[in-house]
Amino acid sequence: QSALTQPPSASGSPGQSVTISCTGTSSDIGGYNYVSWYQQHPGKAPKLMIYDVTKRPSGVPDRFSGSKSGNTASLTVSGLQAEDEADYYCSSYAGSSTVFGGGTKLTVL
Amino acid sequence: QVQLVQSGAEVKEPGASVKVSCKASGYTFTGYAISWVRQAPGQGLEWMGWVSAYNGNTNYARKLLDRVTMTTDPSTSTAYMELRNLRSDDTAVFYCARDAGYNGYEFFDYWGQGTLVTVSS
Repeated sequence: QSALTQPPSASGSPGQSVTISCTGTSSDIGGYNYVSWYQQHPGKAPKLMIYDVTKRPSGVPDRFSGSKSGNTASLTVSGLQAEDEADYYCSSYAGSSTVFGGGTKLTVL
Repeated sequence: QVQLVQSGAEVKEPGASVKVSCKASGYTFTGYAISWVRQAPGQGLEWMGWVSAYNGNTNYARKLLDRVTMTTDPSTSTAYMELRNLRSDDTAVFYCARDAGYNGYEFFDYWGQGTLVTVSS
């Protein structure tokens, strides 16, 4: 199972919005509504930010939102804050496995 | 509160095996499966496989089928991941993660702190 495709980097100024894309195939993103997004700060474990494409776990700010169209999922971070600077990974259920994206480093300028 | 606490860092020679533990607390252990995810230095996340804490069923990533074994011990609320015949490219941080999905490995809501395994002669 190939990794999902994410842009290596994204950036925005404080208060702005940024969207990170995640492209897969009909065997993963396009075939299931089980896309999740994880935030990882350096040296830390990943943290679940979005699951089931659009749902936010308790405690995750509503500045974070997810969507999907066809084989591409997206994570939007609105009202960027300094603490949002981190690596972001998408993930999708793929039937017999789970596949992750290569990660996007989000820089808050 | 839910916690997953993993065993400490390991250094292994090529060809050896490593067994990483993940002790769960704060929830009913047998009510959730555990997935294992690894991250090579400077690289992304890679799902390794899944083990049901309820009945021990497993599902491994195809590329690791012949080298990995995942088990659980409900009596101690601990999950284990053993990787055999280690190679240098197995050097990574290994994470256990609680599977909060519906059929298995749809998403992971709590993660261990990670265990660094270094493979070097």
